[in-house]
Amino acid sequence: GAVVSQHPSRVICKSGTSVKIECRSLDFQATTMFWYRQFPKQSLMLMATSNEGSKATYEQGVEKDKFLINHASLTLSTLTVTSAHPEDSSFYICSARPTGEGYTFGSGTRLTVV
Amino acid sequence: QQQVKQSPQSLIVQKGGISIINCAYENTAFDYFPWYQQFPGKGPALLIAIRPDVSEKKEGRFTISFNKSAKQFSLHIMDSQPGDSATYFCAASIRFGNEKLTFGTGTRLTIIP
Repeated sequence: GAVVSQHPSRVICKSGTSVKIECRSLDFQATTMFWYRQFPKQSLMLMATSNEGSKATYEQGVEKDKFLINHASLTLSTLTVTSAHPEDSSFYICSARPTGEGYTFGSGTRLTVV
Repeated sequence: QQQVKQSPQSLIVQKGGISIINCAYENTAFDYFPWYQQFPGKGPALLIAIRPDVSEKKEGRFTISFNKSAKQFSLHIMDSQPGDSATYFCAASIRFGNEKLTFGTGTRLTIIP
């Protein structure tokens, strides 16, 4: 089946620094990728839709300047958490949908801001 | 606005039993209903999905039952095994899954020996 690779799986950063998370579709092209955030014991909350070659679409309440999304190619989308603070600590997951198949999710990135 | 309501929040089932998780939706435009399984520290994995033109879909031990008039769908796990212990999410989308998914709140399933 289709694979979405997400890196890194875990990252710890200091408050005020920026962190980049990569999401790659390994065996298919993805013009659209989705970024989710998940707090412990809660559901997935869609943050933004990443569109190849154009601006991302952010969900209501998500700060565009804090969560920068770049979808530079048909196989790579990146999420950069800028000026991270402890409240940004969470589990971030990306997703893409191969043609004719269901949504495939990455393995997630556990971000801890100290 | 919570468009997909999921219950129960947690469920304990004995090994070999049937696990049943229910979801209800509000948006009648939804036409794609997948179920996902998530283990701790991992991303969700697609288990099974259904479209509203059928009332039931079965894949191995997993069955989706769909009631369009009631706007409800459920996941049945037959012969539940300890390895099935995970969090399960229902979801819904429009345009046969070509639009973003709206997730339920999740059910933590524990299978006891």
